[in-house]
Amino acid sequence: EVQLVESGGGLVQPGGSLRLSCVASGFTFSSYDMHWVRQATGKGLEWVSAFQTSGNIYYPDSVKGRFTISRENDKNSLYLQMNSLRAGDTGIYYCVRDGVGHYDIWGQGTMVTVSS
Amino acid sequence: DAVMSQSPLSLPVTLGQPASISCRSSQSLVYRDGNTYLNWYQQRPGQSPRRLIYQVSNRDSGVPDRFSGSGSGTDFTLKISRVEAEDVGVYYCGQGSHWRTFGQGTKLEI
Repeated sequence: EVQLVESGGGLVQPGGSLRLSCVASGFTFSSYDMHWVRQATGKGLEWVSAFQTSGNIYYPDSVKGRFTISRENDKNSLYLQMNSLRAGDTGIYYCVRDGVGHYDIWGQGTMVTVSS
Repeated sequence: DAVMSQSPLSLPVTLGQPASISCRSSQSLVYRDGNTYLNWYQQRPGQSPRRLIYQVSNRDSGVPDRFSGSGSGTDFTLKISRVEAEDVGVYYCGQGSHWRTFGQGTKLEI
């Protein structure tokens, strides 16, 4: 079964850090671009970061300089290091597989709450 | 990046009746390879989003044929021919031609 399982979410104070992990199974992880997408509570979807198979990495301006995406293909794992967290970063973070222009597999998500 | 706009944002429907959601992009979604990367995602209450339709009109496996996607360029539509109770949720259009952006979501409720 093709699956993505996230972990690492939790409660953190503003200015703090958190590292999210995503473990993939059921497909050849190294052959796919992988992204993180987040969803603020009761809100829509926002792309957060991307790690392409070419090694290219991308971020939107909203997280550039604060978030770092990485991957370990031998461990079928994707990571998101989040620093200088703000209240606006609160939400569910999804690990997603990019199937060329669309997200074909989504994880169950991990909740990140930034609050004092 | 392309800004995606959906309408309506709330869609009350009657079981067995049709429903339609519109999605517009601020720029053409025809990519340089000739494909149009406009997709639809369904998010049922308490669940993660799942892909419903990709590249305008291609249904994912397991998606009932009452769902259909159409459109071109900047204007796209998701149609449900006969709404069933399991269709309740939020529907997002998302584009992959100019990086990745999503519409605001349309909440379908019975």
